[in-house]
Parts: sequence; structure tokens; C-alpha cells
Amino acid sequence: DAGVIQSPRHEVTEMGQEVTLRCKPISGHNSLFWYRQTMMRGLELLIYFNNNVPIDDSGMPEDRFSAKMPNASFSTLKIQPSEPRDSAVYFCASSLGTGHYEAFFGQGTRLTVV
Amino acid sequence: KQEVTQIPAALSVPEGENLVLNCSFTDSAIYNLQWFRQDPGKGLTSLLLIQSSQREQTSGRLNASLDKSSGRSTLYIAASQPGDSATYLCAAYNNNDMRFGAGTRLTVKP
Repeated sequence: DAGVIQSPRHEVTEMGQEVTLRCKPISGHNSLFWYRQTMMRGLELLIYFNNNVPIDDSGMPEDRFSAKMPNASFSTLKIQPSEPRDSAVYFCASSLGTGHYEAFFGQGTRLTVV
Repeated sequence: KQEVTQIPAALSVPEGENLVLNCSFTDSAIYNLQWFRQDPGKGLTSLLLIQSSQREQTSGRLNASLDKSSGRSTLYIAASQPGDSATYLCAAYNNNDMRFGAGTRLTVKP
């Protein structure tokens, strides 16, 4: 398997624009996580899906952030409107299921909002 | 909520030295604890996963231990090499939540 695939790898956008980050989990994995990484705050869990259903979105910082998982092989994280403070590296991770399984991370999307 | 702490924040050692990285967590009701490596500008690579029922896991020169009762895990790296230079992160998995420490930045000098 190619692993967790994220796109784009880099995104530069202007403040106020909509940004969509994409993730393809490892085939057969039922759990998917979105994280944000910054120097100041480290890795923060934004939202967690199990079997395509959002289980916990308490980490989503504001209503400007939304995430979907329309099927088992695709998830999106959308920021609308984007702000400079959203600049970070966004990671997607997947695992076979909850609790006892190893999580695998994608290479991340580096987002810069100017 | 679970809080995960890693010490030291940074560590510099000469090549060949054995070293220990520490991870502590506040909620012992974890399902598992996972150690990752992150190279600059890269994603996270899984190193070892320890289930809550296990005490340790080994992979090559790496050995990770888990003591749930004290809320601690250690990552032991034997005979360190310059290629081991990276940031090492631990993550504790509770119910629907995988929390990370801030990481230990390791530099192994030739």
C-alpha cells in the first residue's frame, strides 16, 4: 500500500480564501484522524472519524473549520475563510480501528496563509 | 483530558552512546502508547506500538517500555548513530483520542 496520501503537499493562499486539504487513508483502515502541527502548540488533534462518521470534533478550533469523510477512501478538511493564524502543517493519519491499532501518518500539507 | 509530557526537550549525544527518552501521561486508562520519529519537514514514522497489556516492545536497536500504573513510557536507543537524529514523539491513545507529547529533539554527533 502507498500509505496515507495527502494533497496538496504545500498550499499558499491569501487571507479570506477557502482552503481544502485532502486525505486518502490506507485501504481497509476504519479510523481517520486530522492533526495540526505548529511550533507553539505541537500536534493537536482536530477531528477523528470512525467508519466515516465523525466521532469527536472537539479539537476543531472554530466554525471556520469543517471536515468530511464521504467514503472510506477520502476525507477533506476545509477552512473557510482562512486566516494567517491557520498557517501550520496539517496531518492526516489512519488506523485499522480504535484503540489497539497502530496509526500511520501522511506526509502532511504545509499551509501558509498570507 | 490526557496530558503527555516528554523530557528532555532536546538531547545531544556522541555517536555510539545508549540513550533513554522519557514520556509521561496523566491518564493511565490508555489503550496503547505509540512512539514516532519525525525528520525535519517530514511526516511521522511509527517506530513502536505498545498495547496497554504489554510491558515492552523491541525493534532492532529500539526498545520501548510501558508502566501504566506510573504513567510512564521510555524509549531506549542502543548504540546511537547520526542517522538517529530526529524528533521523537510519543502518543497516548485513550477513548477516541490520541494525544501527543511535544517531542524530544535528538542530535547524534559523529
